[in-house]
Amino acid sequence: DVVMTQSPLSLPVTLGQPASISCRSSQSLVHSDGNTYLNWFQQRPGQPPRRLIYKVSDRDSGVPDRFSGSGSGTDFTLKISRVEAEDVGVYYCMQGIHWPPITFGGGTKVEIK
Amino acid sequence: EVQLVESGGGLVQPGGSLRLSCAASRFTFSNSWMSWVRQAPGKGLEWVANIKHDGSEKYYVDSVKGRFTISRDNAENSLYLQMNSLRAEDTAVYYCVRGRQSMDVWGHGTTVTVSS
Repeated sequence: DVVMTQSPLSLPVTLGQPASISCRSSQSLVHSDGNTYLNWFQQRPGQPPRRLIYKVSDRDSGVPDRFSGSGSGTDFTLKISRVEAEDVGVYYCMQGIHWPPITFGGGTKVEIK
Repeated sequence: EVQLVESGGGLVQPGGSLRLSCAASRFTFSNSWMSWVRQAPGKGLEWVANIKHDGSEKYYVDSVKGRFTISRDNAENSLYLQMNSLRAEDTAVYYCVRGRQSMDVWGHGTTVTVSS
């Protein structure tokens, strides 16, 4: 199974400051079709997960442009350019190429300092 | 707005069964892979199973193989998860999700508690 490793586990951030979350996969996530199937999800407290980013860097509709995804191969990053209060929650990466099983990272909890 | 609404969760004793349902609306359900993802209390996300748009392919995480069955009724725009031989470690919120690797739409989840 592909293991998705996120860091840090917890990320205290000052409002208005940037934040960065790392996600590393145990195998390359590049598909033979040329796409890299790496998604990022946000889960606010008491809410279901919501997809933010798909195929490494494509933002979902309605997602603020302060969120951006980057990376390639086995190393990926989610960045928030300026953290707002509504960004508090847990963020997960997910790989959808080597399955079953589809696997998620363990999550990174973003909180306000 | 695309919507997924789960139902069927509850409290069940170890060894018991439950059937979860997911009602889909405002998208072409019959064209979509569908998945179940669960989240144990205070834990992360775990993919459980998925099913091809026509039901011809089904896949499961190892821990539920032989106990859970995913199915769908495209005429009713509904997804199901039959859960048998339930264990304490199956306790979780179960989410219905559109897609296979896309996972772009999530329901609000239904809670399954396995306890005596």
